[in-house]
Order: sequence, then structure tokens, then C-alpha cells
Amino acid sequence: SYVLTQPPSVSVAPGKTARITCGGNNIGTKSVHWYQQKPGQAPVVVIYFGSDRPSGVPERFSGSNSGNTATLTISWVEAGDEADYYCQVWDSSSDHWVFGGGTKLTVL
Amino acid sequence: EGQLVESGGGLIQPGGSLRLSCAVSGFIVSRNYMIWVRQAPGKGLEWVSIIYSDSRTYYADSVKGRFTVSRDNSRNTLFLQMNSLRAEDTAVYYCARQEAPSDPIDVWGQGTMVAVSS
Repeated sequence: SYVLTQPPSVSVAPGKTARITCGGNNIGTKSVHWYQQKPGQAPVVVIYFGSDRPSGVPERFSGSNSGNTATLTISWVEAGDEADYYCQVWDSSSDHWVFGGGTKLTVL
Repeated sequence: EGQLVESGGGLIQPGGSLRLSCAVSGFIVSRNYMIWVRQAPGKGLEWVSIIYSDSRTYYADSVKGRFTVSRDNSRNTLFLQMNSLRAEDTAVYYCARQEAPSDPIDVWGQGTMVAVSS
């Protein structure tokens, strides 16, 4: 089965750049989506199809996807960005939906 | 954009059964791909099941043979029948929507808690 690997945690100071990676076999050939989840809330998509940003999501959020790694980048990090972030793909070979294990972003 | 409201969660003994409902407003369930995702306490998101617009269904290996996803088009409602429940099924269960399998999950419910314990 397809596996997505994320670092459990990333810490960054306010105003700096946070990069959260999502590793998977040839993930660059898949549609990757990123979700932000704050405590007690349902997830919200912040990047879809690897690099597209929904309306209402700040331009500080960006994404890339190539080879075996997808990356969510948050520039000029703010305290309000502190949350859990999950990557997700559809594995068409098995018709399974896969989430990464999640990364807790801590703003120092 | 639509709204999803889950119900039916609760405390259930191991081996028991529970049926979750997800009432949908703002879009037509049968024209979308409807997903169940769960999250165990303090853990990450786990995909559970999906029902396609053409009624095909798929399940995570961890629930296959025990859970059944269905929908009632007249009530615009999604269901998850959960049988032979185990302690490891304890989680918040979210229903959600996709417009296509490779699309993002763009609408989520607020979740309903299922606790399996004796």
C-alpha cells in the first residue's frame, strides 16, 4: 500500500519560513493536497493539486511537488499558523485514499 | 459550498454495531464522492471509506468486511454502518466530500465521536 511520510514536528520562529515535507514513491506524479487542522476543528484544505491555493488562504502558503517529495511552505509564519498539517493523495492503483501521518507546526 | 452534519456516535461495547449518519445540505450527495475519515484521540487522519457517484464503494483494509457505506438519495444523507466494533475503532468520524477521486476533500462535517469500550 502507498505510504506518505511526514516529519512529526516542525518548529519555526515568527516571521520565518516553515517547510513541511511529504515523502512518497513518485509522489510527483500524483495530485497532492495539504490540510490544516487546528485543535477541535475539522481539517481545511490549504493547498490542492500540489501548488494551488484556495480562495481565502493567505499567499504565504505555497506548495511544490516533484520526484519523491511534496513540500508545503509557509512564509512569514504567524502564531495563527500553529496547527497540524496533513498531506493526502489518492492511490489510483488500489482506490485507497492516503494521508500522511501529520506534522505539528509549532511557532516559537 | 454545502454543509455536512454527522450524528449517531456514542459509547458502544466491543463487538457491537453503530450506524453513523451524515445529513447533507447545499449539494447533492449522489452526484459527489462522499468520504468517511476518522481520527483516533491524539492521532492523525485515517481514510475509512468512500462511495462514488456511480455507487462503487471502497474501504480501508482496517475496516473492510466490518463497515458499510451507503446513501439515501431521497434524504440526501450518507451512512456508515459499523459492525464488530473494536477498541481501535475509537475515533472522531468525519464525513466529507470530493468532486472527483483526485480532487481535494473540500467540505467536511464537524465530526461525531465513537468510543468502543467495555
